[in-house]
Amino acid sequence: AQSVTQPDIHITVSEGASLELRCNYSYGATPYLFWYVQSPGQGLQLLLKYFSGDTLVQGIKGFEAEFKRSQSSFNLRKPSVHWSDAAEYFCAVGRSYNTDKLIFGTGTRLQVFP
Amino acid sequence: DVKVTQSSRYLVKRTGEKVFLECVQDMDHENMFWYRQDPGLGLRLIYFSYDVKMKEKGDIPEGYSVSREKKERFSLILESASTNQTSMYLCASTKLRGTDTQYFGPGTRLTVL
Repeated sequence: AQSVTQPDIHITVSEGASLELRCNYSYGATPYLFWYVQSPGQGLQLLLKYFSGDTLVQGIKGFEAEFKRSQSSFNLRKPSVHWSDAAEYFCAVGRSYNTDKLIFGTGTRLQVFP
Repeated sequence: DVKVTQSSRYLVKRTGEKVFLECVQDMDHENMFWYRQDPGLGLRLIYFSYDVKMKEKGDIPEGYSVSREKKERFSLILESASTNQTSMYLCASTKLRGTDTQYFGPGTRLTVL
């Protein structure tokens, strides 16, 4: 069965520092991968997605993610974090042919110190 | 911009009550979804709909039902609310089936006493 693991429940970084949020998936075929962000009191917003092609994907708000098939990973990165990036981040994988039905990870809460 | 709205941000109900959560999208999207979000569990799919009057079960449909009488509106129904249904409920929609971005509403935090 497909699954998504986000090993870090809570991460704290200083403003201006680099960021990497980890995501590992379990899936037999080529996965459809997503990163969503949930700001306090808001719904989820798509940051970026990977379906095929270039394994380095650029998203909104300066985020990028790299698909590594050999490691079953899709880690989210940002070179310099801003205080407004404090939020909860969810990795998700689309199931087989129907990516509407997503499996979400448990989320990583990012705290940013000034 | 796509807008997905949910009827209430906060809701408090008593055990055994029938509860309706409403979701409306304004972008003529075909597909709509209901999730519940719990700490440590992420988002789990309850039900989804690909068309008016059409519904399919997600991963955790027990204790819930849905209704989609109009394309823009998707309702989640708790027939007899229980305390273990206390949660954050999120609605989402997509224009197309398959590889499409899901647009989420702000969520309804339901407390069942």
